[in-house]
Amino acid sequence: QKEVEQDPGPLSVPEGAIVSLNCTYSNSAFQYFMWYRQYSRKGPELLMYTYSSGNKEDGRFTAQVDKSSKYISLFIRDSQPSDSATYLCAMSANRGSTLGRLYFGRGTQLTVWP
Amino acid sequence: EAQVTQNPRYLITVTGKKLTVTCSQNMNHEYMSWYRQDPGLGLRQIYYSMNVEVTDKGDVPEGYKVSRKEKRNFPLILESPSPNQTSLYFCASRLTGAGYNSPLHFGNGTRLTVT
Repeated sequence: QKEVEQDPGPLSVPEGAIVSLNCTYSNSAFQYFMWYRQYSRKGPELLMYTYSSGNKEDGRFTAQVDKSSKYISLFIRDSQPSDSATYLCAMSANRGSTLGRLYFGRGTQLTVWP
Repeated sequence: EAQVTQNPRYLITVTGKKLTVTCSQNMNHEYMSWYRQDPGLGLRQIYYSMNVEVTDKGDVPEGYKVSRKEKRNFPLILESPSPNQTSLYFCASRLTGAGYNSPLHFGNGTRLTVT
């Protein structure tokens, strides 16, 4: 079993829809959770990060972590065609200042059509 | 401009011919790492370096070597490439000691094909 599981999609939604992206994990030591966005032919870029359980909101994006269920989510409200990209979850058991091993999900390919 | 630069962007080579993919960052980052990205498998960490002369294995280090002689450079070496190393490779760097709001900065990737 992979450390991090993520449905690769593809996911196709109309503009304005609410998008829900999810990952599950098996390592209970993970405590730092990140979402990266990757546009075609580009490297991933950090979208959001959270520590331990709870919610974090940034504009149209909300990240949720449920450590008891080993489940994390990213919600995108009022989705836009510019949100079309691959979204990767990532997580680590290390403290931020000693980041070493980082485990990524396979990525979910999202298309938002006008 | 702050960036991670990988070279070359595209490389086609033959089995067994040693190659080096270079990675350089201009942000004075301590941490650097190499990943490979394959369809259906996502991003997998090959090697990482917490600072100069400090390197450690990631998930898939077999068949790769790295060195960190200078802070800005972190080359990836394939001594004897094989077709199963055909992949998209990313180099990344970040500041350490700044928490997770210091993001990983990725290069734009090197697409390697080994025939």
